[in-house]
Amino acid sequence: DAGITQSPRYKITETGRQVTLMCHQTWSHSYMFWYRQDLGHGLRLIYYSAAADITDKGEVPDGYVVSRSKTENFPLTLESATRSQTSVYFCASRTPSSYNEQFFGPGTRLTVL
Amino acid sequence: RKEVEQDPGPFNVPEGATVAFNCTYSNSASQSFFWYRQDCRKEPKLLMSVYSSGNEDGRFTAQLNRASQYISLLIRDSKLSDSATYLCVVNPGGTQFYFGTGTSLTVIP
Repeated sequence: DAGITQSPRYKITETGRQVTLMCHQTWSHSYMFWYRQDLGHGLRLIYYSAAADITDKGEVPDGYVVSRSKTENFPLTLESATRSQTSVYFCASRTPSSYNEQFFGPGTRLTVL
Repeated sequence: RKEVEQDPGPFNVPEGATVAFNCTYSNSASQSFFWYRQDCRKEPKLLMSVYSSGNEDGRFTAQLNRASQYISLLIRDSKLSDSATYLCVVNPGGTQFYFGTGTSLTVIP
């Protein structure tokens, strides 16, 4: 199906473990984004990518790594998970125009014990 | 100062009521504005873009006031299905969009 998908939808891990969250979109949108959503903070940008092999930091990048070898995939890795990274993670994509909407994936609920 | 600020609510209104939300933004050079809707435990989805001249989509009206740096969303004839969190989104120019924390609306039968 066309759209933007995320996997896994739910993940429980332990402090110090490496975790990778996957994001896949079928629209060939050049821009892709990773956000985290926490109570009291709203959606905060972690990293974004303007195209394959081009990534940049957002508002809260510490503790996260991204890559984008293909236009359609934008994985997010927590190199050594901490409890403060317990959150809901949303991937999004859009075309380059600032007036275009962002399309969000269904989210991944991550719990770090 | 946050880029975007919203009253978190909650707003509890009866069916058929009119309700309005405001959102302020800090960057006077901001170029594009949106309202997103987020249902409980779901992803945000675009409700409407906000244009300088104001725009209407059915029961929903969005307004932009650049002088005072706020945008508003008016919902007329509220339906039960309007219950959700409404996110104000601002693009100050460039790639990054800034999201407000959201305003919670519950429409009561």
